[in-house]
Amino acid sequence: KNQVEQSPQSLIILEGKNCTLQCNYTVSPFSNLRWYKQDTGRGPVSLTIMTFSENTKSNGRYTATLDADTKQSSLHITASQLSDSASYICVVSRNTGFQKLVFGTGTRLLVSP
Amino acid sequence: DTEVTQTPKHLVMGMTNKKSLKCEQHMGHRAMYWYKQKAKKPPELMFVYSYEKLSINESVPSRFSPECPNSSLLNLHLHALQPEDSALYLCASSQDESGANVLTFGAGSRLTVL
Repeated sequence: KNQVEQSPQSLIILEGKNCTLQCNYTVSPFSNLRWYKQDTGRGPVSLTIMTFSENTKSNGRYTATLDADTKQSSLHITASQLSDSASYICVVSRNTGFQKLVFGTGTRLLVSP
Repeated sequence: DTEVTQTPKHLVMGMTNKKSLKCEQHMGHRAMYWYKQKAKKPPELMFVYSYEKLSINESVPSRFSPECPNSSLLNLHLHALQPEDSALYLCASSQDESGANVLTFGAGSRLTVL
């Protein structure tokens, strides 16, 4: 079954601290993995996209990693800011020739002052 | 222009009303999508349009009727909805339907059915 699982479900950290969010997937055939940030009541915004051959990709204070062998990904946020409070969704695209995305249930991050 | 614009941002309607959600993009994307998202849940795919033709319908009830008048516009016509249809409706677009392309999402239309 094609699934994407994220952990933790929710997380509270102090402003300025780092954190790492996890994503495990059983999606096949694999095309790419994306991390999206979604503010409450808004549409998701793409942070990174990684293909099978990419291990790490950064976007400012966000760094995503991908281990295609173990089917795991992580999103590391450095020096967190209050504006980082949002849901972070891991999305895996299946290589079926069209845009069939499998969404994780997200990690809700709250950055506290 | 790198945005997907959705209107209205909020919509309240009765079960007998007919309303429409609108989505617009000017990035030259040829694939457009409607997703439905309930609170604290991931988005669920409803429809995909590719080159202005309906490509995927994920068994969505007929009270939701999509329309793609041209390559920049995507509508979702709503009729005889149920309270359980209340959700955030997200429009998205991508270069084409290929799985390698990143989706650009709109800010969503928050629908409440009374």
